[in-house]
Amino acid sequence: GAVVSQHPSRVICKSGTSVKIECRSLDFQATTMFWYRQFPKQSLMLMATSNEGSKATYEQGVEKDKFLINHASLTLSTLTVTSAHPEDSSFYICSARQRGSGGGEDTQYFGPGTRLTVL
Amino acid sequence: QQQVKQSPQSLIVQKGGISIINCAYENTAFDYFPWYQQFPGKGPALLIAIRPDVSEKKEGRFTISFNKSAKQFSLHIMDSQPGDSATYFCAASWGYQKVTFGTGTKLQVIP
Repeated sequence: GAVVSQHPSRVICKSGTSVKIECRSLDFQATTMFWYRQFPKQSLMLMATSNEGSKATYEQGVEKDKFLINHASLTLSTLTVTSAHPEDSSFYICSARQRGSGGGEDTQYFGPGTRLTVL
Repeated sequence: QQQVKQSPQSLIVQKGGISIINCAYENTAFDYFPWYQQFPGKGPALLIAIRPDVSEKKEGRFTISFNKSAKQFSLHIMDSQPGDSATYFCAASWGYQKVTFGTGTKLQVIP
C-alpha cells in the first residue's frame, strides 16, 4: 500500500513553545489529509481535515488558532501546535487520502504518528 | 458524540481460536466501513473494509460480516496468532470523507 510519513516521530518541548509536525504522502498525491489526536488507550479523534490550497476544516471543539494546519502541496501537510501546554501532550496521527484508480475506491493511509510531550 | 460503538473493550483468545469484535453504528449515511489494526506507538493500518451492499467480505484469515438492517458489523479473525495481538478499531465514513472511529478493542492472543 501507499506510504505516509510523519516527522518528527517524537518531540519533547517546553511549555509555551510551538511545535511543527509534518505529514507527507511519499508515493502518491493527496488532495485531502486528516489530522487525528489519540490519548493513551483511547480512540482516534479527528481534529481537522486539510485540503490542498484551501483552509482546513476543524472539528467542533478544536481551536484553529491553537492547531494551525497548512496543506501547501499535494504531498505535504503540517500541523503546528502553538504555545503548547502540558495538556496538549498526545499522539498526533495524520492520514492521507489516495484517490482510487480506474473507478476504484479511495483509501486512507495513516502515518506512524508523532508523540508530543510538553513539559 | 459516539457514532460507532465497539465491543468488547478487550479480548483474550487462545492461539488458533477465533477472535470476534463487534461494532454498531447510528448514522445510516455511512457507506464505508473499514477495520484498522494498531500496534503500540504506531499509526493504524487498514486491515479490511466493506460497503453496505455486501453482507460479508473475506481476506485471508480476516472476515467482515455486515448486517445493514441491524446497523451492525463485525470482524472475525480465524486461526488467531500471537502476532495478531494489537488494538483493533472499527470505523465508518461517508463519501470518502472523515472517518469516525470506534473505541477500540485490545486483542491478546495467548500461546
